[in-house]
Amino acid sequence: DAKTTQPTSMDCAEGRAANLPCNHSTISGNEYVYWYRQIHSQGPQYIIHGLKNNETNEMASLIITEDRKSSTLILPHATLRDTAVYYCIVRVDGNAGKSTFGDGTTLTVKP
Amino acid sequence: ETGVTQSPTHLIKTRGQQVTLRCSSQSGHNTVSWYQQALGQGPQFIFQYYREEENGRGNFPPRFSGLQFPNYSSELNVNALELDDSALYLCASSNSGGVDQPQHFGDGTRLSIL
Repeated sequence: DAKTTQPTSMDCAEGRAANLPCNHSTISGNEYVYWYRQIHSQGPQYIIHGLKNNETNEMASLIITEDRKSSTLILPHATLRDTAVYYCIVRVDGNAGKSTFGDGTTLTVKP
Repeated sequence: ETGVTQSPTHLIKTRGQQVTLRCSSQSGHNTVSWYQQALGQGPQFIFQYYREEENGRGNFPPRFSGLQFPNYSSELNVNALELDDSALYLCASSNSGGVDQPQHFGDGTRLSIL
């Protein structure tokens, strides 16, 4: 599976957009980019995923570069409840759908 | 829609004992994966079950085993518990094991080994 690199931590002001970067320079053509977040003492929560096109849902937007070597998760209006560890992972078909998690980015939203 | 539920929420065992953790998948999901999450680290893949068969395994020894039942619920069994097995054990379900299907996680079982 492709390895991902994320900053260890980021801060964001409440009400502003939070832009979380992820590098996946070794990604293959059949690997999907997924984003999850984990709030303390809870299980990871699915946010969004994509293959090569930009995606948007009610929680966030996912921007994937044209060469697919990096992506950005955008939370358009961050709230205090968005404080969490955010994981960017890539999943390859034919590998039992295994998700390989790194250590993620700790996002702290400040008032 | 019922989400993924795990039981028990917390468990304390001693070295050498055996433990069984349980997971009920989200309604409509037929695939279950198990993960181990040590404190301060990301989840690590243990194995996945699809239609009652193990169809993928991570780097975990054979004393970690599992089952999936006809209703798609699942069990994780760990024998000969070691101190390093202390972790949060997460179950995730999805609609098929396809990579384009999101996995949805439960809140886990916190296992402590004394």
